[in-house]
Amino acid sequence: GDSVTQMEGPVTLSEEAFLTINCTYTATGYPSLFWYVQYPGEGLQLLLKATKADDKGSNKGFEATYRKETTSFHLEKGSVQVSDSAVYFCASRSNFGNEKLTFGTGTRLTIIP
Amino acid sequence: DAGVIQSPRHEVTEMGQEVTLRCKPISGHDYLFWYRQTMMRGLELLIYFNNNVPIDDSGMPEDRFSAKMPNASFSTLKIQPSEPRDSAVYFCASSPSRTGELFFGEGSRLTVL
Repeated sequence: GDSVTQMEGPVTLSEEAFLTINCTYTATGYPSLFWYVQYPGEGLQLLLKATKADDKGSNKGFEATYRKETTSFHLEKGSVQVSDSAVYFCASRSNFGNEKLTFGTGTRLTIIP
Repeated sequence: DAGVIQSPRHEVTEMGQEVTLRCKPISGHDYLFWYRQTMMRGLELLIYFNNNVPIDDSGMPEDRFSAKMPNASFSTLKIQPSEPRDSAVYFCASSPSRTGELFFGEGSRLTVL
C-alpha cells in the first residue's frame, strides 16, 4: 500500500536558519502530495500541496517540489522564525479515486531565538 | 465562515463508560474523516464518509467503535465501552470533493481512567 516516510524529529534550529524536512513516498502511479502543519493545541492545517511531477508548492515562505525521480517532496524554508515552531506532516493521496490521505509520522520543529 | 466544529474539547471518563464525540463539518463539504492521534501511533484514519455514506472503516480498531453520519451537517464517533488505551486526541476533518485538502477541527482530547 501507499506509505510516506519523513525524517524523524525533533528538529531544533536557531531563528533565521535554513530548514529542510525530508519526505519520501511510495505509491501506485503519481499521487498528490501535501504538507500539513499542526500548531500546539490545534488541528492540522494545509501548508502547501503539489499535484503532479515537478510542481512546486509554496506558502508562508515554505516550499516543496514534487520529484518523481526520487519520489520525494522535501519541505524547505530559507529563514525560519520562532512562530514556525510546530509539527509538520507530509501526506500523499492516490489519484485513483480514493480520498484517503496517507500521513507520515510528523516532525516536531522547534525554533529558538 | 465557521470551520469544522468538534465537541467536547476535553472528555475525562472512567473505563467502561460510553463516549460520544461530535462533529459538524464545513457546509458544502462532501467528505468527512475521523482520525485518532497518539504519541505512539501518530495520526490514524479511523473512518471516512462521502455524502453521508461510510466508504472505508478499515481503520476502526474494533467493535467498540462506531461512527454515524445521519445528515450532511453532523457526525458522531462512539466508543462503548471505553478503555484506557482509547485515550487520544480525536480529530474530525472535512473536505470538498476531489481536492485532497482536509480541514481539521481542533480535536477532542479523550482520557479514559
